[in-house]
Amino acid sequence: EAQVTQNPRYLITVTGKKLTVTCSQNMNHEYMSWYRQDPGLGLRQIYYSMNVEATDKGDVPEGYKVSRKEKRNFPLILESPSPNQTSLYFCASSLGLAPAGYNEQFFGPGTRLTVL
Amino acid sequence: GDSVTQMEGPVTLSEEAFLTINCTYTATGYPSLFWYVQYPGEGLQLLLKATKADDKGSNKGFEATYRKETTSFHLEKGSVQVSDSAVYFCALIPNSGGSNYKLTFGKGTLLTVNP
Repeated sequence: EAQVTQNPRYLITVTGKKLTVTCSQNMNHEYMSWYRQDPGLGLRQIYYSMNVEATDKGDVPEGYKVSRKEKRNFPLILESPSPNQTSLYFCASSLGLAPAGYNEQFFGPGTRLTVL
Repeated sequence: GDSVTQMEGPVTLSEEAFLTINCTYTATGYPSLFWYVQYPGEGLQLLLKATKADDKGSNKGFEATYRKETTSFHLEKGSVQVSDSAVYFCALIPNSGGSNYKLTFGKGTLLTVNP
C-alpha cells in the first residue's frame, strides 16, 4: 500500500530533551516536506526537500532540523524542544514533477507532540 | 505572498442539507487549487483539485470550480452525510516555478453533520 508513515504518533516530552520524529514514504517520491498544524493557524511548512541531500527552510524552521540521506526517509529533529513546539506535525511527499501544482501531496497520519 | 482565506467555522448541518464552504485566494499567476479533508484523528487526504481557470474538481459528491475572475474555489455538496463530518482545508500551490512545492493552507473549517 502506498503510504507515508510517521513515528511516533504521540509523544510527551520535557523541555530540552532531544527528539526525532521519523517519516518514511514508499512511493519513490522526490519531494518531502514537514508541516505543523496549530489551532487557528492552519498548517505551516517547517522544512522541505526536493531530493536526497537537498533540504531548505519553509516558513517556520526555527528550532527544527531535518536530513535527507535516503530518498524514502525525512526525519524531523528537535534538538532542544520548547513548549511552543507543542503541535501536531505532518510529513508529506509528492513526485516533485513540474509544474508544482500537478503533484498530489500525500500526508502521513500525524504526530502529536507535547513539550512540558 | 500567497494566502488562502476560507470561511470560519464551525459549520453545523443536518443530514441531506446543502453545503458551501467559501474559499478565496491571493497568488501571482495561476496557482493550482486544492481541497483537503481531515477526518478525526487522521492525516489530510486530497478531496479534489483544479489546475487551471474554469476547471471543476469533483470527488465523493463534492465539487469546486476554479474562478480566476473572483479568485475563488468554493466547496459544495448537494446532500451531506454524517460521515462528511471533518475539517476541510482549502490550499494552493503556485505554478510559477521555484523549487518549493509548498501548500499554502487556509485555517480550516470544521463541519459537523447531525443525523
